[in-house]
Amino acid sequence: NAGVTQTPKFRVLKTGQSMTLLCAQDMNHEYMYWYRQDPGMGLRLIHYSVGEGTTAKGEVPDGYNVSRLKKQNFLLGLESAAPSQTSVYFCASSRTMTGDANYGYTFGSGTRLTVV
Amino acid sequence: AQSVAQPEDQVNVAEGNPLTVKCTYSVSGNPYLFWYVQYPNRGLQFLLKYITGDNLVKGSYGFEAEFNKSQTSFHLKKPSALVSDSALYFCAVRDTWDNFNKFYFGSGTKLNVKP
Repeated sequence: NAGVTQTPKFRVLKTGQSMTLLCAQDMNHEYMYWYRQDPGMGLRLIHYSVGEGTTAKGEVPDGYNVSRLKKQNFLLGLESAAPSQTSVYFCASSRTMTGDANYGYTFGSGTRLTVV
Repeated sequence: AQSVAQPEDQVNVAEGNPLTVKCTYSVSGNPYLFWYVQYPNRGLQFLLKYITGDNLVKGSYGFEAEFNKSQTSFHLKKPSALVSDSALYFCAVRDTWDNFNKFYFGSGTKLNVKP
């Protein structure tokens, strides 16, 4: 089925470890986004991309890096994980800046990350 | 500064009764407004959006929302709630004056529909 796929779905890291979250979309969308979801705070934009080879900072970019080497993939990296990065991470994509007329943004099912 | 407020952490309604989930926003330009629903262990699903035109927007699963420019609100409504509507609802706004393609999400409202 077409959509946004995130891997892994769950991960536990020790403080200081590194990891990469993968987001893949098969809808040929130009725009891709990484959000984190924390209780009582909604979704906050970490980084986003407006096309292959581009990335930009969102609201809370510190401690994260991203890459968009291929149009269909958007990678989120944590170089040295901290307990404050314990969260649920969502990737999203869209065809246009305002989202597809029928679907808005298409979200992945999330990655639950715990840093101990 | 752009922002979205969902003043209620939780809304409880009985099945069959009308429901309202509140959202107010603040933007510099004109708003693009969205509602999303999140079921447990799932990503957000698009419900509806307002870009321009008719202030009453109809969306998925019988939901609708009314854009009120003077009150800067975009409340989500449904005439008759179902138990299956129980989920977490997020309001989001994008400012047309914002060149950086940022969506601002509210903190979410948990809707509980009791049988």
